[in-house]
Amino acid sequence: NAGVMQNPRHLVRRRGQEARLRCSPMKGHSHVYWYRQLPEEGLKFMVYLQKENIIDESGMPKERFSAEFPKEGPSILRIQQVVRGDSAAYFCASSPPSRGGTEAFFGQGTRLTVV
Amino acid sequence: DQQVKQNSPSLSVQEGRISILNCDYTNSMFDYFLWYKKYPAEGPTFLISISSIKDKNEDGRFTVFLNKSAKHLSLHIVPSQPGDSAVYFCAATTNTGTASKLTFGTGTRLQVTL
Repeated sequence: NAGVMQNPRHLVRRRGQEARLRCSPMKGHSHVYWYRQLPEEGLKFMVYLQKENIIDESGMPKERFSAEFPKEGPSILRIQQVVRGDSAAYFCASSPPSRGGTEAFFGQGTRLTVV
Repeated sequence: DQQVKQNSPSLSVQEGRISILNCDYTNSMFDYFLWYKKYPAEGPTFLISISSIKDKNEDGRFTVFLNKSAKHLSLHIVPSQPGDSAVYFCAATTNTGTASKLTFGTGTRLQVTL
């Protein structure tokens, strides 16, 4: 059973471009969470999704950021018109429907660098 | 507003000795607490958790203690091993419904020396 898969592992974007981060949850997991870790900080919750639904997006910046988890395919975190301050490690986590989010399993992260 | 705090950014312990990592929280609604271990360039790995109805949970070399009145928890690793060297994150959640989001501390970097 493969773990949570994130790609790409590293992403470099110029200011103003779009960044797309992908997350494939573990098999059988229907809950997906995105977290962001800025340098020297802890992980900060961004958004919680189930298939085709955004359940909690209280941690998402109001502009430029969006997330989806379609019926088929991976979850996507999209950042439009990136700025230097978006440079961070973005982690995806997944959990099965019966266990809730308490023991979520994390992917290896995507390190976004905006130049 | 940092609801989960790890006030020690780093800790150095000799191999074989006990490592004690501390965590404080401010939100009384938190009722489930977790510790994650993180190596560089990897995602966090779940280590151990504790529900607010307990004050201790043990798993092998790892024990987590919870003091609800003080809003404090600690992770004890004994004996410490060089492979334990990593960043340890404390996390908390309100375990309502079928899922919940985690609030993380800023982490403590543990270095286990030979």
